[in-house]
Amino acid sequence: DAGVIQSPRHEVTEMGQEVTLRCKPISGHDYLFWYRQTMMRGLELLIYFNNNVPIDDSGMPEDRFSAKMPNASFSTLKIQPSEPRDSAVYFCASSYFSGYTFGSGTRLTVV
Amino acid sequence: GQQVMQIPQYQHVQEGEDFTTYCNSSTTLSNIQWYKQRPGGHPVFLIQLVKSGEVKKQKRLTFQFGEAKKNSSLHITATQTTDVGTYFCADHGSSNTGKLIFGQGTTLQVKP
Repeated sequence: DAGVIQSPRHEVTEMGQEVTLRCKPISGHDYLFWYRQTMMRGLELLIYFNNNVPIDDSGMPEDRFSAKMPNASFSTLKIQPSEPRDSAVYFCASSYFSGYTFGSGTRLTVV
Repeated sequence: GQQVMQIPQYQHVQEGEDFTTYCNSSTTLSNIQWYKQRPGGHPVFLIQLVKSGEVKKQKRLTFQFGEAKKNSSLHITATQTTDVGTYFCADHGSSNTGKLIFGQGTTLQVKP
């Protein structure tokens, strides 16, 4: 298994631009999570899905953030418009019954 | 909401010394998971503890779950430079919805 696959690995964008992060979870995993990691705030859960259905999006910072999971093998996290304070590493993780498997993350820099 | 507190935040040790990180909660933990994140990497699942008083070992790593299920610890014997990284504990909380609440992590530096 290739693990959880995230793209892109790095993204540099200008303030105000739309950013889309992508995630392919491990086949058979029924949970998918989006986390954001910064030095100041650590690992923050943004949103998670169970069987493609969003369960809890209370961690999404504001309306500029949205996430979708159109099928069991794909999810996106979109930021529109992006702001410098969105700069962070965004991780996708999937799980089935036990520990999470994290992707390698997308390092987002908004200038 | 539930918070999982980890101490210390940072630890510098000489190679060969032991290291321990502690995870504490004011409420009962449902189960504890431990993760390791190497510098520049992503969190990697190490282990899950479920039962009160449970102790599990992985080579030089020993994981414990408190009798009251309000704390947990990770102990590394005779640290090596490969142990460098940040160690996180995480808990599902009372709802057990599949959502993990992560501690702030303990960053370990090992001097060769």
